[in-house]
Amino acid sequence: RKEVEQDPGPFNVPEGATVAFNCTYSNSASQSFFWYRQDCRKEPKLLMSVYSSGNEDGRFTAQLNRASQYISLLIRDSKLSDSATYLCVVNPSNTGKLIFGQGTTLQVKP
Amino acid sequence: DADVTQTPRNRITKTGKRIMLECSQTKGHDRMYWYRQDPGLGLRLIYYSFDVKDINKGEISDGYSVSRQAQAKFSLSLESAIPNQTALYFCATSPQQGEKLFFGSGTQLSVL
Repeated sequence: RKEVEQDPGPFNVPEGATVAFNCTYSNSASQSFFWYRQDCRKEPKLLMSVYSSGNEDGRFTAQLNRASQYISLLIRDSKLSDSATYLCVVNPSNTGKLIFGQGTTLQVKP
Repeated sequence: DADVTQTPRNRITKTGKRIMLECSQTKGHDRMYWYRQDPGLGLRLIYYSFDVKDINKGEISDGYSVSRQAQAKFSLSLESAIPNQTALYFCATSPQQGEKLFFGSGTQLSVL
């Protein structure tokens, strides 16, 4: 089993739709969690950190479920500019090594 | 100017050649990382360093070596390049353990 798993998609949605991605992790001792966004062939950029209490940034909401060992990202009112690959990132231990999921591709259509 | 700079941006080389990829940063971070990205596989950690002269293997270190002679620089070497090392390589820094990563723009390496 991979340490961090994501559905690669692609998720094809119309503008204005709400879309959600999940990411599962195998190490129950994982310390910190992030969602990164990556545009084609560009460097990943931090979208948001994921806190135990959940957090929201505009149209984006991230949730952590420690009991089931997954994190989620919800995007409301999708824009064309949201089209990208979304990477789930987990710190599985106290070593500072961040582990990346393979990414979920989102295509928002007009 | 970019905070994390990778050179070169693109490189085409032949099997058996020695290649060095450079990474420099102006963020003052102690922690630096090298990742490679292959289609469908996400980013995989090659090597990382938490301080000058500190070197740690990641999940796919075979065939690679690194050097951290200064806080701001972390270089990745392929002693004898092979075609399956063709990939997009990213350098990253972070200010402390478990914190967000800041990436360079990447180096596309093609080994023929």
